[in-house]
Amino acid sequence: SSELTQPPSVSVSPGQTARITCSGEVLPKKFVYWYQQKSGQAPVLVIYEDNKRPSGIPERFSGSSSGTVATLTISGAQVGDEADYYCYSTDIGVDHPFGGGTKLTVL
Amino acid sequence: EVHLVQSGAEVKKPGEALTISCKVSGYTFTNYWINWVRQMPGKGLELMGRIDPSDSYSKYSPSFEGHVTISTDKSINTAYLQWNSLKASDTGIYYCTRVESSGSYGEYFQHWGQGTLVTVLS
Repeated sequence: SSELTQPPSVSVSPGQTARITCSGEVLPKKFVYWYQQKSGQAPVLVIYEDNKRPSGIPERFSGSSSGTVATLTISGAQVGDEADYYCYSTDIGVDHPFGGGTKLTVL
Repeated sequence: EVHLVQSGAEVKKPGEALTISCKVSGYTFTNYWINWVRQMPGKGLELMGRIDPSDSYSKYSPSFEGHVTISTDKSINTAYLQWNSLKASDTGIYYCTRVESSGSYGEYFQHWGQGTLVTVLS
């Protein structure tokens, strides 16, 4: 099982704000990273080091982390943002650094 | 531009051996660790293990230790994932990734291969 816990699914209407949480004991000590995986594609990094966006990732993607909970926020979610989202954080002794994944539905 | 290009899909029988590859370009191969990540059908991402191409030091997640071997060939900028005896439960998509460091606070994977589908059928 994962040592990072995510809700299995989140559903929003287009234009609404989607928030996906990730909780784990490692989060106060280490950065969290977020990956987006669209159906049939390789994962894509959308947030690194808690709240930084790689080049090419839209500004509507943002991240935060406080205590044992990290949050990926998608402001004004679009149908094209439908995907599975995974958080990642690791430390010595963490055997399962990926969260279980959250399926985002935008409809 | 950084590229990680993986070998093509494989269909194997239980007990057979298999090696899949990940050829990198666009950067100095020995400067970054390479990870392998498994995704079983309909499931999430699992970190299998990683290798430092500069000296071939590898380490594995407990779930995969002893069942797979990760290696590299520096002369052709390629990393490998090898099974000596496949099981039906090895069916899945396997991704290689380049490991970027956030110092002592974490690591991340900005560059991924396209994935290799491995199907193990009796």
